[in-house]
Amino acid sequence: EVQLVQSGAEVKKSGESLKISCKGSGYRFTNYWIGWVRQMPGKGLEWMGIIYPSDSDTRYGPSFQGQVTLSVDKSIGTAYLQWSSLKASDTAMYYCARRDYNDWYFDLWGRGTLVSVSS
Amino acid sequence: SYELTQPPSVSVSPGQTAKITCFGDALPKQYAYWYQHKPGQAPVVVIYKDNERPSGIPERFSGSSSGTIVTLIISGVQPEDEADYYCQSADNSGTGVFGGGTKLTVL
Repeated sequence: EVQLVQSGAEVKKSGESLKISCKGSGYRFTNYWIGWVRQMPGKGLEWMGIIYPSDSDTRYGPSFQGQVTLSVDKSIGTAYLQWSSLKASDTAMYYCARRDYNDWYFDLWGRGTLVSVSS
Repeated sequence: SYELTQPPSVSVSPGQTAKITCFGDALPKQYAYWYQHKPGQAPVVVIYKDNERPSGIPERFSGSSSGTIVTLIISGVQPEDEADYYCQSADNSGTGVFGGGTKLTVL
């Protein structure tokens, strides 16, 4: 089955670091860009960034450049979203999603990872 | 990057036609995509490349494009179409952006 499986919910404190994961299966992981999308409580979807597993080529949305780090371990088919110092405003649902092979939309989504950060 | 602007809400009665617009300066040059997002679920693309419908998406979903505005059209709205809808686009480098989202209410 073609799917993206995300890591479980996290409860953290401000200032802590965090790395959440997204494992692709059922398809050639290195051939498809993986993106991350944030949804803060009661708010809309925000495009955070996208990474190409084959060579780690990365694009960040303007609001997220310097705030998070995208990475991959292609040997295990897993993408990561990382924070070095969390803030309460990072509390949100984070989705990973696969970019369509030929176009710039997301054709496959994970179920989301809920990150809660207390101050 | 650039912005995409959507109306916050649209309301229609079952069986009517819903139209959700998305405005963006770059839309004449870049494709738009539409996602349906229901609570507790992952988003699903319902339209890609302005007006193409993925397999498995009902025919009542369609899209149109005119200059800086793209429109998602849902003909014969069903109660199960009640959801948030987002337009999305990307620049030439592949950096993407979502619109603010439109809540579709089926009265």
